[in-house]
Amino acid sequence: AQRVTQPEKLLSVFKGAPVELKCNYSYSGSPELFWYVQYSRQRLQLLLRHISRESIKGFTADLNKGETSFHLKKPFAQEEDSAMYYCALSGGNSGNTPLVFGKGTRLSVIA
Amino acid sequence: GAGVSQTPSNKVTEKGKYVELRCDPISGHTALYWYRQSLGQGPEFLIYFQGTGAADDSGLPNDRFFAVRPEGSVSTLKIQRTERGDSAVYLCASSRGGAGDTQYFGPGTRLTVL
Repeated sequence: AQRVTQPEKLLSVFKGAPVELKCNYSYSGSPELFWYVQYSRQRLQLLLRHISRESIKGFTADLNKGETSFHLKKPFAQEEDSAMYYCALSGGNSGNTPLVFGKGTRLSVIA
Repeated sequence: GAGVSQTPSNKVTEKGKYVELRCDPISGHTALYWYRQSLGQGPEFLIYFQGTGAADDSGLPNDRFFAVRPEGSVSTLKIQRTERGDSAVYLCASSRGGAGDTQYFGPGTRLTVL
């Protein structure tokens, strides 16, 4: 079965401290992994996806197939990073497949 | 251009009533998805359209839920005989329709069943 696990409901860090939001998944195949973010009073939006290998707003995420993880990292947290973060997977090359989301982690960056 | 829009933004209804939730996707997007997000949970898939046809409706919880997309653009999610457990935020997303295309989400409709 497809599943995404985000073990932390809430993560609080001080401004300037490193951030790591954990995500583990289970999927029998080659999934595509995503991080979505929802800022206060805004809609859910894509932050980054593993195939792009980009750094967006200073965030990066590396797919580790051995550990089935896709942790989101940022070396220096900013107050504007405070938001709800969701890890998600889809069936990769299987065409358009629905996203399977984790329960989300609320990141709070303290000034 | 305009993003995905959903109406109404809030809907309060009584148990047993019928409701319709509307989604306007981004113009030209052929794929449309409905998700449901309960309190403290991530979005959960309900149904996916490619054009006018439902390509995957495996996420619909029971036969009280139905969705249509008659002209391949606007979609309506219909819930019959609503129950208190149906209370949630209903999210719509659209994508261009190619494999792995980014899904763009609407603001959601918050449904409250009293």
